[in-house]
Amino acid sequence: GENVEQHPSTLSVQEGDSAVIKCTYSDSASNYFPWYKQELGKRPQLIIDIRSNVGEKKDQRIAVTLNKTAKHFSLHITETQPEDSAVYFCAASLKAAGNKLTFGGGTRVLVKP
Amino acid sequence: NAGVTQTPKFQVLKTGQSMTLQCAQDMNHEYMSWYRQDPGMGLRLIHYSVGAGITDQGEVPNGYNVSRSTTEDFPLRLLSAAPSQTSVYFCASQVHRLADTEAFFGQGTRLTVV
Repeated sequence: GENVEQHPSTLSVQEGDSAVIKCTYSDSASNYFPWYKQELGKRPQLIIDIRSNVGEKKDQRIAVTLNKTAKHFSLHITETQPEDSAVYFCAASLKAAGNKLTFGGGTRVLVKP
Repeated sequence: NAGVTQTPKFQVLKTGQSMTLQCAQDMNHEYMSWYRQDPGMGLRLIHYSVGAGITDQGEVPNGYNVSRSTTEDFPLRLLSAAPSQTSVYFCASQVHRLADTEAFFGQGTRLTVV
């Protein structure tokens, strides 16, 4: 089955700096890569996603890039703010496998004011 | 529109007890799933269902049962609780027939087995 590795497990940045989280996946047939944000004590919520026919997607201060050849994708947060402090999860899914999501281990991001 | 609702929010069980975690969604989603969240291990799929009457095992199914008698409800049963099942459990729903769809999560159940 699919395996998703996520790095780093923790990330501390100064407010205003950029944060980058990287994920690799094992199944080259995976075709959908969402990112979820989980604030402390809350449920995970989708923040951005990318499909395998797109190399990059941007939404205000967040962007995701996908390298299908290398089987990795990354989340970029620019101009970080204290409210960006949370745990971020990447995931991969395969339509042929019924859209089952396989999650990475998560990255705890702390934005220091 | 409530989305995905889980009950209870917190539960303490003694080893060997059984219980059912409830999950209901009002979005008419075909696909529902249960995950457990443990520190450093992300969200791991326990069981999932692609529609009423159809269920299948995920990555970590041992010790858990599910059923899907209606589109709305997807309960998770712990048969004989063990300390290793101490975790936070999330139910999620997705539109199944369309590819690439957002998973909507419930608020989670924090379970402690002593």
